[in-house]
Amino acid sequence: QKEVEQDPGPLSVPEGAIVSLNCTYSNSAFQYFMWYRQYSRKGPELLMYTYSSGNKEDGRFTAQVDKSSKYISLFIRDSQPSDSATYLCAMSENPGTASKLTFGTGTRLQVTL
Amino acid sequence: SQTIHQWPATLVQPVGSPLSLECTVEGTSNPNLYWYRQAAGRGLQLLFYSVGIGQISSEVPQNLSASRPQDRQFILSSKKLLLSDSGFYLCARADGGAHGYTFGSGTRLTVV
Repeated sequence: QKEVEQDPGPLSVPEGAIVSLNCTYSNSAFQYFMWYRQYSRKGPELLMYTYSSGNKEDGRFTAQVDKSSKYISLFIRDSQPSDSATYLCAMSENPGTASKLTFGTGTRLQVTL
Repeated sequence: SQTIHQWPATLVQPVGSPLSLECTVEGTSNPNLYWYRQAAGRGLQLLFYSVGIGQISSEVPQNLSASRPQDRQFILSSKKLLLSDSGFYLCARADGGAHGYTFGSGTRLTVV
Protein backbone atom coordinates (compact mmCIF):
# COMPACT_ATOMS: atom_id res chain seq x y z
CA GLN A 1 0.00 0.00 0.00
CA LYS A 2 1.30 3.44 -0.91
CA GLU A 3 1.69 5.94 1.91
CA VAL A 4 -0.33 8.49 -0.06
CA GLU A 5 -3.11 7.60 -2.50
CA GLN A 6 -4.44 10.03 -5.08
CA ASP A 7 -6.74 9.40 -8.03
CA PRO A 8 -4.75 10.24 -11.19
CA GLY A 9 -7.81 11.35 -13.16
CA PRO A 10 -8.06 12.93 -15.64
CA LEU A 11 -10.87 15.00 -14.23
CA SER A 12 -12.72 17.15 -16.74
CA VAL A 13 -15.12 19.88 -15.58
CA PRO A 14 -16.82 22.86 -17.24
CA GLU A 15 -15.71 26.38 -16.45
CA GLY A 16 -17.33 27.69 -13.29
CA ALA A 17 -17.73 24.27 -11.66
CA ILE A 18 -16.62 23.41 -8.15
CA VAL A 19 -13.75 20.94 -8.19
CA SER A 20 -12.93 18.51 -5.41
CA LEU A 21 -9.53 16.83 -5.32
CA ASN A 22 -8.66 14.29 -2.65
CA CYS A 23 -5.87 12.27 -1.08
CA THR A 24 -5.83 9.56 1.53
CA TYR A 25 -2.81 8.57 3.57
CA SER A 26 -1.81 5.76 5.89
CA ASN A 27 0.97 7.31 8.01
CA SER A 28 -0.58 8.82 11.12
CA ALA A 29 2.68 10.70 11.81
CA PHE A 30 1.99 13.11 8.94
CA GLN A 31 1.21 16.49 10.45
CA TYR A 32 1.80 18.97 7.62
CA PHE A 33 -0.18 18.93 4.42
CA MET A 34 0.33 20.73 1.15
CA TRP A 35 -1.17 21.05 -2.29
CA TYR A 36 1.00 21.76 -5.31
CA ARG A 37 -0.09 22.78 -8.79
CA GLN A 38 1.97 21.64 -11.75
CA TYR A 39 1.49 22.94 -15.25
CA SER A 40 2.63 20.81 -18.16
CA ARG A 41 6.42 20.60 -18.47
CA LYS A 42 6.95 22.79 -15.40
CA GLY A 43 7.96 22.17 -11.82
CA PRO A 44 5.28 22.03 -9.11
CA GLU A 45 4.44 25.23 -7.25
CA LEU A 46 3.10 25.40 -3.72
CA LEU A 47 -0.58 26.30 -3.65
CA MET A 48 -1.78 25.67 -0.11
CA TYR A 49 -0.39 24.34 3.14
CA THR A 50 -1.90 23.50 6.48
CA TYR A 51 -0.84 21.72 9.64
CA SER A 52 -4.10 21.11 11.45
CA SER A 53 -7.44 19.52 10.89
CA GLY A 54 -10.11 21.82 9.51
CA ASN A 55 -10.40 24.20 6.60
CA LYS A 56 -8.08 26.84 5.22
CA GLU A 57 -9.27 29.23 2.56
CA ASP A 58 -7.28 31.29 0.06
CA GLY A 59 -9.30 32.99 -2.63
CA ARG A 60 -11.04 30.36 -4.74
CA PHE A 61 -9.11 27.55 -3.04
CA THR A 62 -10.01 25.72 0.17
CA ALA A 63 -7.84 23.05 1.73
CA GLN A 64 -9.50 20.63 4.12
CA VAL A 65 -7.79 18.15 6.44
CA ASP A 66 -9.43 15.35 8.40
CA LYS A 67 -6.71 13.63 10.42
CA SER A 68 -9.12 11.19 12.02
CA SER A 69 -9.98 9.81 8.59
CA LYS A 70 -6.50 10.42 7.12
CA TYR A 71 -8.11 12.32 4.29
CA ILE A 72 -7.32 15.68 2.74
CA SER A 73 -9.13 17.66 0.07
CA LEU A 74 -8.65 20.69 -2.13
CA PHE A 75 -11.72 22.53 -3.38
CA ILE A 76 -11.58 24.97 -6.26
CA ARG A 77 -14.57 27.28 -6.66
CA ASP A 78 -15.53 28.96 -9.93
CA SER A 79 -12.95 26.92 -11.80
CA GLN A 80 -11.18 28.59 -14.72
CA PRO A 81 -9.40 27.18 -17.78
CA SER A 82 -6.18 28.49 -16.22
CA ASP A 83 -6.73 25.99 -13.38
CA SER A 84 -6.07 23.16 -15.83
CA ALA A 85 -3.01 21.44 -14.39
CA THR A 86 -1.94 18.46 -12.34
CA TYR A 87 -2.56 18.84 -8.61
CA LEU A 88 -0.31 16.96 -6.21
CA CYS A 89 -0.91 16.51 -2.53
CA ALA A 90 2.12 16.31 -0.27
CA MET A 91 2.64 15.71 3.41
CA SER A 92 5.38 15.52 5.98
CA GLU A 93 6.00 14.58 9.60
CA ASN A 94 8.17 17.59 10.36
CA PRO A 95 7.96 21.29 9.60
CA GLY A 96 10.17 23.51 7.54
CA THR A 97 13.67 22.57 6.49
CA ALA A 98 13.56 19.32 8.47
CA SER A 99 10.76 18.04 6.33
CA LYS A 100 10.87 15.25 3.80
CA LEU A 101 7.79 15.42 1.70
CA THR A 102 5.81 12.42 0.51
CA PHE A 103 3.78 13.14 -2.61
CA GLY A 104 0.67 11.69 -4.14
CA THR A 105 0.78 10.72 -7.80
CA GLY A 106 -1.18 13.82 -8.83
CA THR A 107 -4.62 14.38 -10.33
CA ARG A 108 -4.80 15.87 -13.80
CA LEU A 109 -7.55 18.49 -14.03
CA GLN A 110 -8.97 19.89 -17.26
CA VAL A 111 -11.35 22.86 -17.11
CA THR A 112 -13.22 23.29 -20.36
CA LEU A 113 -14.90 26.39 -21.80
CA SER B 1 14.64 35.29 -4.24
CA GLN B 2 14.39 31.53 -3.84
CA THR B 3 14.96 30.86 -7.53
CA ILE B 4 16.22 27.49 -8.66
CA HIS B 5 18.02 27.10 -11.96
CA GLN B 6 18.00 23.76 -13.72
CA TRP B 7 19.42 22.88 -17.10
CA PRO B 8 19.03 21.64 -19.65
CA ALA B 9 15.24 21.69 -20.04
CA THR B 10 15.23 18.64 -22.30
CA LEU B 11 17.81 15.99 -23.01
CA VAL B 12 17.90 12.92 -25.24
CA GLN B 13 20.71 10.53 -24.48
CA PRO B 14 21.62 7.05 -25.75
CA VAL B 15 21.69 4.05 -23.45
CA GLY B 16 25.10 3.68 -21.85
CA SER B 17 26.03 7.34 -22.08
CA PRO B 18 26.91 9.46 -19.02
CA LEU B 19 24.66 12.08 -17.47
CA SER B 20 25.19 15.29 -15.57
CA LEU B 21 22.29 17.51 -14.53
CA GLU B 22 23.06 20.68 -12.64
CA CYS B 23 20.95 22.64 -10.22
CA THR B 24 21.91 25.97 -8.69
CA VAL B 25 19.86 27.86 -6.14
CA GLU B 26 19.59 31.44 -4.98
CA GLY B 27 18.53 32.76 -1.62
CA THR B 28 19.47 31.80 1.93
CA SER B 29 22.66 29.85 2.45
CA ASN B 30 22.93 26.17 3.43
CA PRO B 31 19.55 25.12 2.04
CA ASN B 32 18.30 21.55 2.11
CA LEU B 33 18.29 20.39 -1.51
CA TYR B 34 16.49 17.49 -3.17
CA TRP B 35 16.47 15.59 -6.46
CA TYR B 36 13.16 14.05 -7.50
CA ARG B 37 12.19 12.00 -10.51
CA GLN B 38 8.65 12.15 -11.84
CA ALA B 39 7.38 9.34 -14.05
CA ALA B 40 3.90 9.11 -15.51
CA GLY B 41 1.46 7.62 -13.02
CA ARG B 42 4.09 7.27 -10.30
CA GLY B 43 4.25 10.72 -8.81
CA LEU B 44 7.39 12.29 -7.41
CA GLN B 45 10.07 9.87 -6.27
CA LEU B 46 12.74 11.25 -3.96
CA LEU B 47 16.17 10.24 -5.25
CA PHE B 48 18.67 12.21 -3.15
CA TYR B 49 18.71 14.93 -0.56
CA SER B 50 21.50 17.05 0.86
CA VAL B 51 21.68 19.08 4.06
CA GLY B 52 25.07 20.62 3.27
CA ILE B 53 28.23 20.57 1.15
CA GLY B 54 29.40 17.01 0.55
CA GLN B 55 26.46 15.54 2.46
CA ILE B 56 24.29 13.30 0.30
CA SER B 57 21.60 10.84 1.34
CA SER B 58 20.25 8.36 -1.14
CA GLU B 59 16.65 7.27 -0.89
CA VAL B 60 16.49 4.68 -3.63
CA PRO B 61 19.22 2.30 -4.86
CA GLN B 62 19.69 3.03 -8.53
CA ASN B 63 21.96 3.88 -11.40
CA LEU B 64 22.35 7.49 -10.31
CA SER B 65 24.53 9.47 -7.93
CA ALA B 66 24.50 13.01 -6.59
CA SER B 67 27.08 15.49 -5.40
CA ARG B 68 27.07 18.87 -3.73
CA PRO B 69 30.38 20.55 -4.42
CA GLN B 70 29.22 24.01 -3.37
CA ASP B 71 26.54 25.31 -1.01
CA ARG B 72 24.21 26.32 -3.81
CA GLN B 73 25.05 23.62 -6.37
CA PHE B 74 23.54 20.16 -6.57
CA ILE B 75 24.48 17.73 -9.35
CA LEU B 76 22.82 14.52 -10.47
CA SER B 77 25.00 12.09 -12.41
CA SER B 78 25.15 8.70 -14.00
CA LYS B 79 28.07 6.84 -15.53
CA LYS B 80 25.89 4.72 -17.84
CA LEU B 81 22.26 5.56 -18.51
CA LEU B 82 19.55 2.91 -18.68
CA LEU B 83 16.23 3.12 -20.52
CA SER B 84 14.52 3.14 -17.11
CA ASP B 85 16.31 6.40 -16.23
CA SER B 86 13.98 8.31 -18.54
CA GLY B 87 11.76 10.77 -16.70
CA PHE B 88 11.30 14.31 -15.53
CA TYR B 89 13.98 15.32 -13.04
CA LEU B 90 13.26 18.05 -10.56
CA CYS B 91 15.54 19.86 -8.17
CA ALA B 92 13.98 21.40 -5.06
CA ARG B 93 14.94 23.32 -1.95
CA ALA B 94 13.18 23.32 1.39
CA ASP B 95 11.60 26.61 2.41
CA GLY B 96 11.18 26.58 6.15
CA GLY B 97 8.57 29.28 6.43
CA ALA B 98 6.09 27.75 4.04
CA HIS B 99 6.72 24.17 5.16
CA GLY B 100 7.14 23.25 1.54
CA TYR B 101 9.57 23.14 -1.31
CA THR B 102 10.43 25.41 -4.18
CA PHE B 103 11.00 23.45 -7.35
CA GLY B 104 13.08 24.15 -10.40
CA SER B 105 11.56 23.96 -13.86
CA GLY B 106 12.85 20.42 -14.40
CA THR B 107 14.78 18.45 -17.01
CA ARG B 108 12.95 15.99 -19.22
CA LEU B 109 15.36 13.14 -19.93
CA THR B 110 14.68 10.58 -22.63
CA VAL B 111 17.06 7.66 -22.87
CA VAL B 112 16.95 5.99 -26.29
